[in-house]
Formats: sequence, structure tokens, C-alpha cells
Amino acid sequence: EDQVTQSPEALRLQEGESSSLNCSYTVSGLRGLFWYRQDPGKGPEFLFTLYSAGEEKEKERLKATLTKKESFLHITAPKPEDSATYLCAVGASGSRLTFGEGTQLTVNP
Amino acid sequence: DTEVTQTPKHLVMGMTNKKSLKCEQHMGHRAMYWYKQKAKKPPELMFVYSYEKLSINESVPSRFSPECPNSSLLNLHLHALQPEDSALYLCASSPGLAGAGEQYFGPGTRLTVT
Repeated sequence: EDQVTQSPEALRLQEGESSSLNCSYTVSGLRGLFWYRQDPGKGPEFLFTLYSAGEEKEKERLKATLTKKESFLHITAPKPEDSATYLCAVGASGSRLTFGEGTQLTVNP
Repeated sequence: DTEVTQTPKHLVMGMTNKKSLKCEQHMGHRAMYWYKQKAKKPPELMFVYSYEKLSINESVPSRFSPECPNSSLLNLHLHALQPEDSALYLCASSPGLAGAGEQYFGPGTRLTVT
């Protein structure tokens, strides 16, 4: 059974304090690892897709990396507007995405 | 343009009502999805349409009835819902075969069943 575990559940940072979110996964046949950002009451916003170990993607203050067992979302010098829940999902068997429970990030000014 | 639209944004319905949620995408995507999301939980898959045919029903109660009139539209018909069905209902689409590649989500419909 495919499994995705995100840590920490919640993270509080000061503005400018860089950190990383973790997504560990167990799947048979990875068909992509996806990062999403979700603001309260809104739909998830697609951020990145990673397909193979060693791959990296960047967008503004965010950088996603992938190994054979986990992915990291690095946040460099975060701003309050980066506060959101970050969801990791894997595409594996069938047509389904398996989501982690998310990391709720709060960036204080 | 990676936009999926959903209407209405909010819906309040009684347990005896019949209502429909609508979803539209004009990105030429061939797979479309309905998800249900409860507070502080990740989205839960309900239905998948691939090339306008229902390919997955995640054992969803029959009071939820999906419909895909064409490749751009997805409806979710609601009938005789229960208060525990109150949630954020999300539509998503993806470019190719269902499950291949990233999914793009709409803003959701906040449903309250009274």
C-alpha cells in the first residue's frame, strides 16, 4: 500500500528564517511526486512535480528535491505570505494520488 | 492558463434537497476528478473521469452522482445528503491519462448540509 508521511505537522518560522519540510514515501512504482500549497478554504495550488531521484525544482523562495525515499521542500528567507499548508502527494498505482497529511506553515513578521 | 473553475462557491442545502456542483476547465485536459476535503485533512478522491468515461468510483454513496457531459465539464449531483457530507468539494483536472502527471485543482465549493 502506498504511504506518504509529512513532517513536521506544523512549523512556525520568523520571517527570513529558512527551513525544510519533509515528505517520506513508500510506493511501488513512483509516477511522480507532487507538492501543493493550500490556503484556508481554497483549492490546492500546484507547485512542483519531481519524477526521479536527484531531481530539483525551484520557484521563488521554494526549492523541492527528491531522493528514493523522501522529498524536501526548502523555504529560503520565508515571508508571511508563504504561510499555508503544504501538501505532498505521490502518483503510483492506478489513477490515484496518495496525499500526506500536510505541514501547516506559519511565518511571523 | 491553468484554471479550473467551480460553481457555486458556497452551498447550503437541506437533507431533502437536490443540488448540483459544476466544474469547468478549458485546458484540454482529458482526466477530471472530484475530491472531498474535510477540515485539516488532505483531499479524498471520490470519482475519476478519463476521456469522459467514469474510470474510478471510490465506493462513494449513491447520493452523490457524477456526470461528465463533455471533455470540459464535470458535474456532481447531490441528493438526500447527510450533515456529515458537509465539506469542501474540489474538482481537479490533469492533462493526459488519469493519474499521469500533475492535477490542477479548482477553488472548491464549500457545502453545508443542514
